[in-house]
Amino acid sequence: EADIYQTPRYLVIGTGKKITLECSQTMGHDKMYWYQQDPGMELHLIHYSYGVNSTEKGDLSSESTVSRIRTEHFPLTLESARPSHTSQYLCASSESVSPRGETQYFGPGTRLLVL
Amino acid sequence: KNQVEQSPQSLIILEGKNCTLQCNYTVSPFSNLRWYKQDTGRGPVSLTIMTFSENTKSNGRYTATLDADTKQSSLHITASQLSDSASYICVVSDRGSTLGRLYFGRGTQLTVWP
Repeated sequence: EADIYQTPRYLVIGTGKKITLECSQTMGHDKMYWYQQDPGMELHLIHYSYGVNSTEKGDLSSESTVSRIRTEHFPLTLESARPSHTSQYLCASSESVSPRGETQYFGPGTRLLVL
Repeated sequence: KNQVEQSPQSLIILEGKNCTLQCNYTVSPFSNLRWYKQDTGRGPVSLTIMTFSENTKSNGRYTATLDADTKQSSLHITASQLSDSASYICVVSDRGSTLGRLYFGRGTQLTVWP
């Protein structure tokens, strides 16, 4: 099982609150990702990082922000949560590119409900 | 438009039976295709990976096939077990490099009944 952790696993919060979803990995991977997944739908990439101090926006526009101050840590922050942010958020990491392409290792996810 | 389509959307089978899940893609240029298993409330876990030159790959009771000409892949599960109940996601990468991106299917929700 992959050594990538997410907290909290479940979060119910009111509209307007600031939240931070934590993600950490102990595999020393340079690349980390945040995905958003709604029930029965595909994963959508919202943020990624190639290493420390590197952050990029993904394919799906998101009001969240991320930071990468340490290799093992990639937190996601919502400054003001809204009901439209209700979803499952999955963090992943991968090692540097190999000839076969990289395998992403996923955390267990955070299920967010904004009331 | 690069897309990954999976079928069926959901499937119910009895324990011990075999089943086959389908994945069609239009991603180009193609680098590799992965099948992931996602248990309820968990993150996806990689089952198999196939590049352009590979047309079959096995992982225990899971066997994936790839036809790069028709852009189709299948995941065959043999002698299903209750623990196979999960969503199976097909993921296609368009390039085996740092610039490559992943295209995810919506998954097939498999339920195995005793």
